[in-house]
Amino acid sequence: SQTIHQWPATLVQPVGSPLSLECTVEGTSNPNLYWYRQAAGRGLQLLFYSVGIGQISSEVPQNLSASRPQDRQFILSSKKLLLSDSGFYLCAWSSTGGTQYFGPGTRLLVL
Amino acid sequence: DAKTTQPTSMDCAEGRAANLPCNHSTISGNEYVYWYRQIHSQGPQYIIHGLKNNETNEMASLIITEDRKSSTLILPHATLRDTAVYYCIVRGVGGYQKVTFGIGTKLQVIP
Repeated sequence: SQTIHQWPATLVQPVGSPLSLECTVEGTSNPNLYWYRQAAGRGLQLLFYSVGIGQISSEVPQNLSASRPQDRQFILSSKKLLLSDSGFYLCAWSSTGGTQYFGPGTRLLVL
Repeated sequence: DAKTTQPTSMDCAEGRAANLPCNHSTISGNEYVYWYRQIHSQGPQYIIHGLKNNETNEMASLIITEDRKSSTLILPHATLRDTAVYYCIVRGVGGYQKVTFGIGTKLQVIP
C-alpha cells in the first residue's frame, strides 16, 4: 500500500531563517506531488505541484520554492522566512487523474 | 474546477446518521464529486467520490442528485471520532487536476 511521510511534524523558526520541508511517498511510482498551505481557520491553498522529476509548477507567487530531486521526494524551501509563512503545510500525492492522498502535515510557526 | 457551497457547521447526535449537504450547481459533465475530512491538526483524509451514481464504502455513502447539482455525504452511525471538518470538492479527470478546498463543514458529534 502507498504511504506518504512528512517531516518535521512541527517547526518553529525565526523570521529570516531558511526552510526545508520534506515529503516522501512509498509504494507507488511516478506520482503527481502537491504542496498545500492551510492558514488557521481557512481552506487549503495549492502552492506547487509536480508531475515528474524536476518538473515544478507554481500556483501562487510567494516566498517559497519547491523541488523534486527524486521520483518520490518533494521538498518545500525558503531562503528567508516571513511571518506570513506560518501555517500548516500539507503534501499530497496522486496517480495521474487519481484521488489525492494527503500526508500528516507540518505545522510551521515563524516568530 | 467548479465551486461548491457547504454549510459552515452542523451538529449530530452520537449514533445517529450525519447528513452533510453540498451544492455544486456549476459542475460539468466530466467532473467528479469528492469528499474529504480533516480532523484537527491532521492532514485531510479521503472519504469517497462519485460521478453520477450513488456510492458506498466502509466509511460513508454519497448520494448525488440526478441533475448532479448537489450531493449529500451520509455517515450512517456518527461517533465522536467523526467530529471533523468535511470538505466537498469537484474535479475533472485525467492528467493533473487542480483541487480547490474551501472552508468545509465543521461537524460536531454530540454525546
